[in-house]
Amino acid sequence: SQQGEEDPQALSIQEGENATMNCSYKTSINNLQWYRQNSGRGLVHLILIRSNEREKHSGRLRVTLDTSKKSSSLLITASRAADTASYFCAVGGAGNNRKLIWGLGTSLAVNP
Amino acid sequence: KAGVTQTPRYLIKTRGQQVTLSCSPISGHRSVSWYQQTPGQGLQFLFEYFSETQRNKGNFPGRFSGRQFSNSRSEMNVSTLELGDSALYLCASSSGTGVNNEQFFGPGTRLTVL
Repeated sequence: SQQGEEDPQALSIQEGENATMNCSYKTSINNLQWYRQNSGRGLVHLILIRSNEREKHSGRLRVTLDTSKKSSSLLITASRAADTASYFCAVGGAGNNRKLIWGLGTSLAVNP
Repeated sequence: KAGVTQTPRYLIKTRGQQVTLSCSPISGHRSVSWYQQTPGQGLQFLFEYFSETQRNKGNFPGRFSGRQFSNSRSEMNVSTLELGDSALYLCASSSGTGVNNEQFFGPGTRLTVL
């Protein structure tokens, strides 16, 4: 089964609105990473947050991590049509489970 | 720096055949990971190589194998192809181990098995 599970599966918003995607996981982690995939640029890394961090920012992106709830969220502020893509969380396991396990993604459509 | 390159970009094979996919990582990156992406299963980890050694392996049958050369280039091989092997195969490189570092992905090889 997938380690990371994104929610919602699909999201449609208007340009300028904020988009929030969530990721839940099941085991102990070393880090959690967010990636974006679209047909033009392929799969691109957005942010890596380590298990001892609670929040990270990169431009219009904000990622939070709550290890007690085993969940993370990705917030995209002031969305643009170019943000239309699938967003994936990838969970970096801790201990012997040192693999990057991916969720099925959230499909985001930003309408002009 | 040049990005991750994968060859070929598209491949059509028939059941029972075998296939070899190639990946050239970003210069200086020693880790190469391989993933299979399908609409139903998402991205599934195949294996990771670091300095020519397989560090980790996903839950795929032995028909899936890989190797890494001294220049960090990597190949993966799928033998006795099945219809279910049709997928986008992605290669990613990173400066350190893939699980702890940002991964840079190639454009993928789209494999169709008829």
